[in-house]
Formats: sequence, structure tokens, C-alpha cells
Amino acid sequence: LAKTTQPISMDSYEGQEVNITCSHNNIATNDYITWYQQFPSQGPRFIIQGYKTKVTNEVASLFIPADRKSSTLSLPRVSLSDTAVYYCLVVLGGFKTIFGAGTRLFVKA
Amino acid sequence: GAVVSQHPSRVICKSGTSVKIECRSLDFQATTMFWYRQFPKQSLMLMATSNEGSKATYEQGVEKDKFLINHASLTLSTLTVTSAHPEDSSFYICSASPGGQPTTDTQYFGPGTRLTVL
Repeated sequence: LAKTTQPISMDSYEGQEVNITCSHNNIATNDYITWYQQFPSQGPRFIIQGYKTKVTNEVASLFIPADRKSSTLSLPRVSLSDTAVYYCLVVLGGFKTIFGAGTRLFVKA
Repeated sequence: GAVVSQHPSRVICKSGTSVKIECRSLDFQATTMFWYRQFPKQSLMLMATSNEGSKATYEQGVEKDKFLINHASLTLSTLTVTSAHPEDSSFYICSASPGGQPTTDTQYFGPGTRLTVL
């Protein structure tokens, strides 16, 4: 199972772009990179998933370099409601995955 | 996206009693579901892999006789905490992926169940 490493916490202000980088040096060929958001007392919520290069959806972008040993979640113009814990997971769907510590993002007014 | 539900959302029980938590995939079938436990301010810890029609696979350190898992159908897995004690108080979360293994589909998580043992 690929291990992930993320910053423990980050602070930002409303309206700023936030980039959270995750390293996963032993990612396997078939693994996908998935990011989740978790609010207190709720289950993790899917944000975005990618395999390589760049993926964008309505809430975030995911940048993955060619070697896939890291990935960066980009949240454009964060708001107070984006204060949460963000987890980077390296997964192969249907198989178990191990959560790292995640990154606590605190957005200030 | 796919929806995973859990019931109950929160439960309070007395020490020594057993509690059953249900995890359902509402709009897809899941041959495999996963159970996690999360303590305050900590990350999710994988407890076991629930396999439809077969025995669950438990992570190291998780007592299989205390945390009984039954994957009765392709849409339902249950976790029973037997003889619960205050140290079992935690947030229990399940997840599932549509399709079989392997799949490019992501894991979807339930809303969690808050268990408090008095």
C-alpha cells in the first residue's frame, strides 16, 4: 500500500487559492490519486481523482507530474466553508486503502 | 455520485451491550465494503474489509470476535460491536466502491455513526 505524506496544517484567507501537495513515492502503476474532504462528524467526501497530468472539476484541480510521485490539490478562491481536513489517498478501487494524517485547512476571514 | 448510507447516525448504549451498525450502498452494488474507526482529531483507521458472501478480513490489532462483520448482500454490510465498553466509543465509517475489483471507481463513504458507550 502506498504511503502518503501531506502537511499537517495550512492556513489561508478567504478568496485565496490554496495548494496542498501530497507525496506518494511508492505509488503503483494501477493506483489512482484521490482527494477527500472531511468535516467534523461527517464521512469523507470525494473531491477529485486523477491518474496523471491535470484534472479539473467544478470544485478543484488536481496536478500530477509525470513521475506520479506527488500530486497537488488546488482549491480556487477558498471560503470559510472550505475549512476542513483534506486527505490524499492512493487507491485502486475496490481494494483497501490506508489514510494518512491529512491536512487541516483553516480559512480565515 | 454514488451514495452510501449508515444507520443509525448516532447511538448511545450501556457498557456490556452490543450495538449493530448498518452500511448500505443505495444505488450500486458493492462486493467489498470497508469499515473504519475515527477517534477525535485523528485520521480514519481501517478496521476490516467486508466481503460479500465470505468472512471479513481484519486489520492487525482489531479483534474479530468483538467487531463482528456480516456482508449479507451486495448492498448491505453490518458491523456489530459486541460487549461494548467506553473505550469503543468512536466514530465508525464505512465505504464502498461500485463495480468489482479492480475498478477505477472511487470509494464512497457513509456519513458515519457516532457510538457512545456509557
